[in-house]
Amino acid sequence: KNEVEQSPQNLTAQEGEFITINCSYSVGISALHWLQQHPGGGIVSLFMLSSGKKKHGRLIATINIQEKHSSLHITASHPRDSAVYICAVGGETSGSRLTFGEGTQLTVNP
Amino acid sequence: EPEVTQTPSHQVTQMGQEVILRCVPISNHLYFYWYRQILGQKVEFLVSFYNNEISEKSEIFDDQFSVERPDGSNFTLKIRSTKLEDSAMYFCASSSDRGYSPLHFGNGTRLTVT
Repeated sequence: KNEVEQSPQNLTAQEGEFITINCSYSVGISALHWLQQHPGGGIVSLFMLSSGKKKHGRLIATINIQEKHSSLHITASHPRDSAVYICAVGGETSGSRLTFGEGTQLTVNP
Repeated sequence: EPEVTQTPSHQVTQMGQEVILRCVPISNHLYFYWYRQILGQKVEFLVSFYNNEISEKSEIFDDQFSVERPDGSNFTLKIRSTKLEDSAMYFCASSSDRGYSPLHFGNGTRLTVT
C-alpha cells in the first residue's frame, strides 16, 4: 500500500468549475505539501500545512490530521491551472524527506 | 523572487560515464536536497544535506552517488558510473529550515543514459 494516495489520477474540467483533489496518507507526518508540476517538469510549492486550512488566491488547501486526509480546491478553474498536482508528506522524524504521491493530472478546458 | 537554478537542463551520457549535475540553491537556505523522477513515476527522495554533510539518504543513493557543496554556492550530485536505469529527471531543492519550511525546487535536469 502506498504511503500517500491521491485521487483522482486524472481530472478534466470546464473553465470555471470548482475542483477538488484528495490526498490520503498512512503514516504520521510533520507537514503535508501540495505541489504543482508543469508540463516542462518544473515543480512549484503551493502549500505546506500541518493543520487547518490555507488559502492563496483561488487555491485552498485543507488537512484533517485525525483522518490523515487533505484536499486541494481550485475555485473558478482556468486553463492555465492545467498541470499535475502532487501531494507529498514529510515524516514525523524526518520532515525534510518528502514522500510523494503519484500526482493528479488536471486538464481545464476553455 | 529568488530561485533554485539547475544546470544543465538536459544531459545525455553513455552508460558507464560519470555525470555531475549542478544546482545553485537559494542563497540564505541551509538545507539542500536531491530528488529524482523516472519518466511516468512519482518523485523519489535521494539525499538531504546540511552543514556540509549528508543528513539523510534513501536506499537509492548507493555508492555510485555523491553530493558536494564545493564552494558555498553550488550543490552538486555526481553519479560515478551511470546505468540505463539512472535516466530520470533530477530535481534539486533547498529550504531555510529542516521540515518546517517549504521546499523550493529547481526546474530539473533531464538525464538520459544511452
